Amino acid sequence: QVHLVQSGAEVKKPGASVRISCKASGDTFTSHTMYWVRQAPGQGLEWMGWVNAGNGNTQYSQKFQGRVTITKDTSASTAYMELSNLRSEDTAVYYCASGSTLKEVPAFDYWGQGTLVTVSS
Amino acid sequence: SYVLTQPPSVSVAPGETARVTCGGSYIGTKSVHWYQQKPGQAPVLVIYYDSDRPSGIPERFSGSNSRNTATLTISRVEAGDEADYYCQVWDTSSDWVFGGGTKLTVL
Repeated sequence: QVHLVQSGAEVKKPGASVRISCKASGDTFTSHTMYWVRQAPGQGLEWMGWVNAGNGNTQYSQKFQGRVTITKDTSASTAYMELSNLRSEDTAVYYCASGSTLKEVPAFDYWGQGTLVTVSS
Repeated sequence: SYVLTQPPSVSVAPGETARVTCGGSYIGTKSVHWYQQKPGQAPVLVIYYDSDRPSGIPERFSGSNSRNTATLTISRVEAGDEADYYCQVWDTSSDWVFGGGTKLTVL
């Protein structure tokens, strides 16, 4: 069982950056891949990227390439997602989720509570 | 890029069976995961690898996957099953892909 706790809501101006944290507990952090998914108001789920908490490898959705950076701090069992050059369309709830690195095509077994990011001038 | 197509809505009476479909090109060759999301809450995994259930998910939830359609089946639907349901696959060209979601309404 993995418990994911995300940082609190953010309000940002267009052009700014936001960094959200996701602290994991309950299992070995390095045996998980940490995913980031967002959900705009009234819309569906959209995958943004992931970091392998074991080896640090990352992969990003082409849609966010160049604007998103996902990192991890193994000592703190925490993953981070930074999104830059924010625009109003980035207003959404951002979720972290985890899946086992030991499985092929793992499901997103556990999810954080979500972080609302509001982009407004 | 790979596209997953779900019906926007499905309605069913309590006690009946709900089927939520997820269409994709040769989806039967991929592993499909399903998530349930209730209003204001984070998604919860309900089916993984087409038909496996995580611990704590009722046996009423089942899944299948063949050719171009994966299906989430909820038997003996209860009011508490009312939620949005999303299918998900991994594709070599698109990485992780979610379907658009289906709102299940219990009449």
